[in-house]
This record gives sequence, C-alpha cells and structure tokens, in this order.
Amino acid sequence: EVQLVESGGGLVKPGESLKLSCAASGFTFSSDWMHWVRQAPGKGLLWVARINNDGSNTAYADSVKGRFTISRDNAENTLSLQMNGLRVEDTAVYYCTRDRPGPYHYMDVWGKGTTVTVSS
Amino acid sequence: DIQMTQSPSSVSASVGDRVTITCRASQDISGWLGWYQQKPGKVPKLLIYGASDLESGVPSRFSGSGSGTDFTLTISSLQPEDFATYYCQQGHSFPVTFGQGTRLEIK
Repeated sequence: EVQLVESGGGLVKPGESLKLSCAASGFTFSSDWMHWVRQAPGKGLLWVARINNDGSNTAYADSVKGRFTISRDNAENTLSLQMNGLRVEDTAVYYCTRDRPGPYHYMDVWGKGTTVTVSS
Repeated sequence: DIQMTQSPSSVSASVGDRVTITCRASQDISGWLGWYQQKPGKVPKLLIYGASDLESGVPSRFSGSGSGTDFTLTISSLQPEDFATYYCQQGHSFPVTFGQGTRLEIK
C-alpha cells in the first residue's frame, strides 16, 4: 500500500523552529518528486515546497522562502521540512504529498497531515 | 504567480443533480489542471489531472474539461458521498497554485 506518514508537528512560539518528517512506503520513493502542502484552519490549500527525486533541486513558496528547507533521504525513504523563524500565520496542517508520476505537477498521494501551531 | 479563481464559492444541490464548477487561470496553462475533492476532516483526493483525465478509481460521473484559462468540473448525477469541497490546481509551473475552493452542500 502506498503510504505517507507525517510527524513532528506541535505547538511552538513565534520565532522558534520545528522539523517535520514524512515516512514513505509502498512505492519507489527515490523516483518521485515530493511536495509539502499546508492548510490553515478553515482555509484552502497552499503549496509550500517541492523537491526533485534526487534532492538536487528545490522550490519554495514566497511566503516561506529563506525560512523553510525541504530535504530528503532516499536511503531512509524520508522527506523533511525544516521550519525556522516560525510565524503565527504558519499555523496549519502540513501535508506530505507525492508528485504524480508523469508530465507536470499534481499530487496523487497525501499523508494524513501533521498540525503546526505557532502561538505565544 | 498564476492565480486560480473558482466559481461559485459554494453551491447547494440535491442528490441526482448535475453540478458544474468552474476554474479560471490568470494566464494560459494549456491543459495542466487538476481537481481535488476534500471531505470535512479528511485529506484531499486527486480526482482529475490534465484537465480531463480521471484518476484511477474515481467514478465516471466526474468529468473535467477545458484548456488555456477556463476549465470545468462536472458531476453528472450527485451522490451523497460527493458533498465536499473541491479545489482546482494548476500544474503548469511553480509555484503550484490552488483555487480557493468550492463548497458543495446538500440542498
């Protein structure tokens, strides 16, 4: 079964850091691009970051650029998101997603999400 | 960035109705458009990619069309399990962007 399981969410204060992890199974992780997508409470979906299959190329939403870092360990089938300088507006459920194999970019596998709350 | 605008923001319909949701891109994205369904408290699910290709396992009552800047998602005969929020997403270029969502409610 293809599966993504996120972990690492929690309650932090503004300015603090948090690292999210995503464990992948049931597919050839090293072949696929991966994304993080977030959803603030009661709001829509916002793409956060993506990484190519070997980790050599990354891209970020402007709202997180310079503060968040996406990375992967293909030996461990793990995707990560290091979040520094957290802001109240970063409060959201963070989803690990797989880029659907094929041309262009859609997300065909989603984890259940991990909740990040930034509050003083 | 490419802006995605959905209409309507919400719609009420009955079981058996035909429903259409539209999505407009701020620039030409060819056919690189996906549709997702999200039920309350659940994870988004990819329904359609490439504007009109049905993801495996998705019922055939769902269909998508369009190209360029204007796209539609049609549900031909609403079932009780279809009441959810639907999002479009452009897969043409980064940053990937989503529409604001359309909430489909029971009338």
